[in-house]
Amino acid sequence: GENVEQHPSTLSVQEGDSAVIKCTYSDSASNYFPWYKQELGKRPQLIIDIRSNVGEKKDQRIAVTLNKTAKHFSLHITETQPEDSAVYFCAAYDYKLSFGAGTTVTVRA
Amino acid sequence: DGGITQSPKYLFRKEGQNVTLSCEQNLNHDAMYWYRQDPGQGLRLIYYSQIVNDFQKGDIAEGYSVSREKKESFPLTVTSAQKNPTAFYLCASSIARTSNQPQHFGDGTRLSIL
Repeated sequence: GENVEQHPSTLSVQEGDSAVIKCTYSDSASNYFPWYKQELGKRPQLIIDIRSNVGEKKDQRIAVTLNKTAKHFSLHITETQPEDSAVYFCAAYDYKLSFGAGTTVTVRA
Repeated sequence: DGGITQSPKYLFRKEGQNVTLSCEQNLNHDAMYWYRQDPGQGLRLIYYSQIVNDFQKGDIAEGYSVSREKKESFPLTVTSAQKNPTAFYLCASSIARTSNQPQHFGDGTRLSIL
C-alpha cells in the first residue's frame, strides 16, 4: 500500500517568512495529493490539492509543487501570519487517502 | 464543513462496552469514511463506504464495525474487542464513489475510556 512520509515534524518560522513542508510517497499510481490544515481540537480543513497531471498550483499565499518522477510534493506558505499556526497534513491517493504524520507549524510574532 | 455532523463530541466507554459514533451528511455525497487520529500521528483509515449497503475495511478495521443503510448516515461502532479505543475519531465524505475527490471532515468525536 501507499506510504507517505512528511518532514519536518515541527517547524517554527518568524512572521513574514516562508514555510516549506515536504512529503514523499511510495506508490507511483497515486494521482491526487491534498493538503489539510488542522487547528487544535478541530476538523482538518482542505487548503489546497494537486493532481498528477499538474506540476504546480497556487492559491494566494499557498502553493503546492509535485515531482512525479521523484515521488515527492511540497507545500509552500509565503508571508506567514500567526493564524497560519496549525498542524498540516499531506496525503496521497491511490485507491484511498494515505496521510503523512503531520507538521506542527508555529509562526512567531 | 457544516454539512457533516458527528455526535457526540465527547464519549466515554466502560470496560466491555460497545459504543456507537454517529456521522450524518447532507451533502449528497456517495462516499463516506472513518478515520482514527492519535496524538502525533496522521489519520488512519478504519472503514470506508463508496455506496449504500456496501463498505470496505481500511488499514485498522479490527475492533470496529460500520453500517451504511442510508446515503446520509455512516455510524461507527467501537466494540469491546478494540483494546485501545482512546482517540479522536473523524468522519469524512466525498462527492464521488471511486474518484480522487476532496474529502470533507466533520468536527470529530473524542472517545475516552472510563
